[in-house]
Amino acid sequence: DVKVTQSSRYLVKRTGEKVFLECVQDMDHENMFWYRQDPGLGLRLIYFSYDVKMKEKGDIPEGYSVSREKKERFSLILESASTNQTSMYLCASSFQHGGANEKLFFGSGTQLSVL
Amino acid sequence: DQQVKQNSPSLSVQEGRISILNCDYTNSMFDYFLWYKKYPAEGPTFLISISSIKDKNEDGRFTVFLNKSAKHLSLHIVPSQPGDSAVYFCAASGDAGNMLTFGGGTRLMVKP
Repeated sequence: DVKVTQSSRYLVKRTGEKVFLECVQDMDHENMFWYRQDPGLGLRLIYFSYDVKMKEKGDIPEGYSVSREKKERFSLILESASTNQTSMYLCASSFQHGGANEKLFFGSGTQLSVL
Repeated sequence: DQQVKQNSPSLSVQEGRISILNCDYTNSMFDYFLWYKKYPAEGPTFLISISSIKDKNEDGRFTVFLNKSAKHLSLHIVPSQPGDSAVYFCAASGDAGNMLTFGGGTRLMVKP
């Protein structure tokens, strides 16, 4: 089974702190994604990566950055956390472009609270 | 502007009955559609998908119907079971490759 592991289940941070969310997948997937889930808004794509050191902006990249130094690891960085970044953050991975390969495998999520 | 919409935030169904979850989309370039199920404290898991060349796909108790002219898809669960209680997300993708656009989700509650 594909496993996508997010380093923390819950995080509480203060406004202005730099926050790192880590994600590791064990299936040699090409693509990795960061989403945030908010009630009524569903899952919104923050950033994604097709390959090591590659990154692309999603729908809501403002206030975030990412790092992919190794194929299996994709980090989400909040440079200066703000209260409107309180959310559930979900990491996902997938094989490659197109067709049935759109299926994503998700981690369990990190519930981030910014106070 | 949300390109994928699930207009019912919640749905309550009796065990054994049919659950019908609806999803509408606005982008005519979408050609692949998926449903994900999410339990509390877990990540979403893939449930069923359909390509735009089909109008129906079935997998056990789960059937997805696609009406391209109406830009509408629905997920039918028959018979519904208490273990089906979860949040269901509709998602779509198109020429942009495998960037999925998700709907807002529908919380299904199946009562014993």
